[in-house]
Amino acid sequence: ETGVTQTPRHLVMGMTNKKSLKCEQHLGHNAMYWYKQSAKKPLELMFVYNFKEQTENNSVPSRFSPECPNSSHLFLHLHTLQPEDSALYLCASSQPGLETQYFGPGTRLLVL
Amino acid sequence: QKEVEQNSGPLSVPEGAIASLNCTYSDRGSQSFFWYRQYSGKSPELIMFIYSNGDKEDGRFTAQLNKASQYVSLLIRDSQPSDSATYLCAVKANSGGSNYKLTFGKGTLLTVNP
Repeated sequence: ETGVTQTPRHLVMGMTNKKSLKCEQHLGHNAMYWYKQSAKKPLELMFVYNFKEQTENNSVPSRFSPECPNSSHLFLHLHTLQPEDSALYLCASSQPGLETQYFGPGTRLLVL
Repeated sequence: QKEVEQNSGPLSVPEGAIASLNCTYSDRGSQSFFWYRQYSGKSPELIMFIYSNGDKEDGRFTAQLNKASQYVSLLIRDSQPSDSATYLCAVKANSGGSNYKLTFGKGTLLTVNP
C-alpha cells in the first residue's frame, strides 16, 4: 500500500450518530484531499487542504466537517448523515507542484 | 462544467492481447493527465502520468496524449489476468483556484480472460 493510511476501514452508523474518519500520510506531502466514491459515479472531490489551509470546498453539505491539524493528518467529522452518504471515502495526498496524488485504502461507510 | 469521459465497459480482451483504454476531456486548457488502476474493493493506484503530446512508455504500459483532439489513451501490452481492474482517467484542471484539483472519469472496467 502507499504511505497513506486511513481508519477505520469500515464504518456503519445511524443517521443520528457522530463519527470521524482519520487519514495520515507518511510521504512528507503538504496537500491532502477527501474524495467520495459512489457506485457508478466518478470520484468526487470534497475538500482540499494545502499547508493545513482549506483551499477547496466542493459544495459539500455541512454534515461533513473536515479538520487538518497539520500537514500529515486529516480528519472528516460526520454527523446526521443520510443513507445516500453511504460510499467509499478516500483520502489522498500530494506534494504541491508535483500534482500526482496518492490514495489511502479508503473507509467504506454505510449509513442506516 | 469540466468533464472527463470514459467508456464504462466492460472491455474484455484475451490474455496476451493489447488492451486499449480511451478518455476524452472537455477543458482544452488541461495540462496534466493521469491513469489510475483500481482493483475491486481497493483504492486507486497511479499507473502513469503524461504532460506532453505523444507517447510515454513504462514497461507494458503506454500513455498517448493528443491535446488537439482532447484525447488520452492507455495501452496495455501482453495483457495479464492480473490487469483486470477499473482504469480511471484523471485530468488536472486549468490553473486558477483549482491548482490541485483532478477531475476523474467514471472509469473503464477491463477484464483479461485467461
